[in-house]
Amino acid sequence: TQLLEQSPQFLSIQEGENLTVYCNSSSVFSSLQWYRQEPGEGPVLLVTVVTGGEVKKLKRLTFQFGDARKDSSLHITAAQPGDTGLYLCAGARRGNKLVFGAGTILRVKS
Amino acid sequence: GAGVSQSPSNKVTEKGKDVELRCDPISGHTALYWYRQSLGQGLEFLIYFQGNSAPDKSGLPSDRFSAERTGGSVSTLTIQRTQQEDSAVYLCASSRTASSYNSPLHFGNGTRLTVT
Repeated sequence: TQLLEQSPQFLSIQEGENLTVYCNSSSVFSSLQWYRQEPGEGPVLLVTVVTGGEVKKLKRLTFQFGDARKDSSLHITAAQPGDTGLYLCAGARRGNKLVFGAGTILRVKS
Repeated sequence: GAGVSQSPSNKVTEKGKDVELRCDPISGHTALYWYRQSLGQGLEFLIYFQGNSAPDKSGLPSDRFSAERTGGSVSTLTIQRTQQEDSAVYLCASSRTASSYNSPLHFGNGTRLTVT
């Protein structure tokens, strides 16, 4: 059983389209992180959200942490081929052990 | 180097053999993690070291897996009597402190292990 459920598992869209990736759990997290991973490389941190209801923007990426700190979303506006990759959410609980979701594979076609 | 370094980058081994995977964390980082990633999947936690504290081994899948961290720096993950289901990418990450909130994980590029 996955502690963090990500959806969709796979997303293939055209350049310029918008998309949203979801990360849901029945557990409360003290913070939640989003990572992006490209083939052959390790994940790279995009953002950390801490406060319930928090919204952070990183250029065309908008991250939101749910009010109850159990879920999060990543919205990409006007996707570009360079956004292609595996997007992972990770939640921090007691003990500082990060728990990762299964990831969303995003493919943006030009 | 400036980042987390893992070696080897690729390892092919025969079923039943032992393998050692090495991780050099970022200098000064006190926390070190090992994760396992199957093809295109999320990360499965294996083990976590923080300073001189006893490691959190709760994610190790069997007693064939062990890890050590010498001198609070380099870590080695050992898999004994490898099985085909051990085939995966093994990722190491380090962070400056134990807190993931203000001390994000920095990952290496992983070791791709293939057991034939």
